[in-house]
Amino acid sequence: DQQVKQNSPSLSVQEGRISILNCDYTNSMFDYFLWYKKYPAEGPTFLISISSIKDKNEDGRFTVFLNKSAKHLSLHIVPSQPGDSAVYFCAASAAEYGNKLVFGAGTILRVKS
Amino acid sequence: DVKVTQSSRYLVKRTGEKVFLECVQDMDHENMFWYRQDPGLGLRLIYFSYDVKMKEKGDIPEGYSVSREKKERFSLILESASTNQTSMYLCASSPTRAVNYGYTFGSGTRLTVV
Repeated sequence: DQQVKQNSPSLSVQEGRISILNCDYTNSMFDYFLWYKKYPAEGPTFLISISSIKDKNEDGRFTVFLNKSAKHLSLHIVPSQPGDSAVYFCAASAAEYGNKLVFGAGTILRVKS
Repeated sequence: DVKVTQSSRYLVKRTGEKVFLECVQDMDHENMFWYRQDPGLGLRLIYFSYDVKMKEKGDIPEGYSVSREKKERFSLILESASTNQTSMYLCASSPTRAVNYGYTFGSGTRLTVV
């Protein structure tokens, strides 16, 4: 049973526009959420995170929004750049479970120039 | 920078072989993890370790074992490789389980079992 779901396998966006990647979770114990970015033949790299006590966190072009009541988070990239083309993984953890990360299936983002 | 190094980028092994995947981290992290990444399935946890000589099963441990004899090294062992173990294997580490600092990943090992 997938506790973290990324329902869009892929997303295609024009350079300069906004990219919105979505993630849903089922476990209400999750208290920390992260986004990782992965290029082919490389390991995932940390992008941005948010604690469950917040509803928004911003870092440059990247903003993560958390809606706890809907158990939903989203990553906004503005403006999108061709170098953002990668696989994006949503991950969640709970202090209750030793902060072990549970990952979604990933969304492939393609930014067209 | 924390570095997580996986010994091989690409491996090709035969069915039935015993396979060792090595991972070393250089920042004295307590926790180490092994994941496999498959299209449409994301990253699935195979085994993890919170301390030397300690190991715990993740979500898909069948067909795998691990060894952590030293804090910096975490080895994944495929006892008898099978074609359904063809995958990208990712090692990760984190400082402690007490606070969520996220993970640092290695570059991955693409294993093909023929």
